[in-house]
Amino acid sequence: AQTVTQSQPEMSVQEAETVTLSCTYDTSESDYYLFWYKQPPSRQMILVIRQEAYKQQNATENRFSVNFQKAAKSFSLKISDSQLGDAAMYFCACATGANSKLTFGKGITLSVRP
Amino acid sequence: DSGVTQTPKHLITATGQRVTLRCSPRSGDLSVYWYQQSLDQGLQFLIQYYNGEERAKGNILERFSAQQFPDLHSELNLSSLELGDSALYFCASSGGLRDYGYTFGSGTRLTVV
Repeated sequence: AQTVTQSQPEMSVQEAETVTLSCTYDTSESDYYLFWYKQPPSRQMILVIRQEAYKQQNATENRFSVNFQKAAKSFSLKISDSQLGDAAMYFCACATGANSKLTFGKGITLSVRP
Repeated sequence: DSGVTQTPKHLITATGQRVTLRCSPRSGDLSVYWYQQSLDQGLQFLIQYYNGEERAKGNILERFSAQQFPDLHSELNLSSLELGDSALYFCASSGGLRDYGYTFGSGTRLTVV
């Protein structure tokens, strides 16, 4: 079974600045996938970015990028040029292979200061 | 529209009652997952169905049950409801080998009074 740990409950960033959200995970599987989800006040779960463990290259989606450190089992999310709309709860999650459940961390609340 | 449809969006019911939450997965997805999110909490995995069969079970109470029908829609049944069952219940679906994405519905907010 996998575990996902997000140790920071809250973070704050100034608009237009960069912020990094931390996540560590643990799994005994060699085939796994890592995700960051955003949950705004509407409570909708929105996929931000995903990373396949077998890929060494860090995933990037516009202003969002990850720092995937496989040996350290670390998967942090970097948000560049933060915008007010980025304010939300962010969840890190892990799935081990196809058709397996997502295991989530406890989430981190990100606030963006104008 | 994410492609995953959950109904109803809101539900208010009394303690001791029974409710059914419904989920229609994204077209072509065989797996359906149910999650519970209590106030200010993370998402707790309840149960997974794959093509009509139970695939994995998480922290699901005995008062809760689920099933997936031949048309792949799923229902989560919650009975003998307690105040602590008040939460947001999410359904997600995935396509497995076709893609490793998980698509979430907008959730059903259950309030037990």
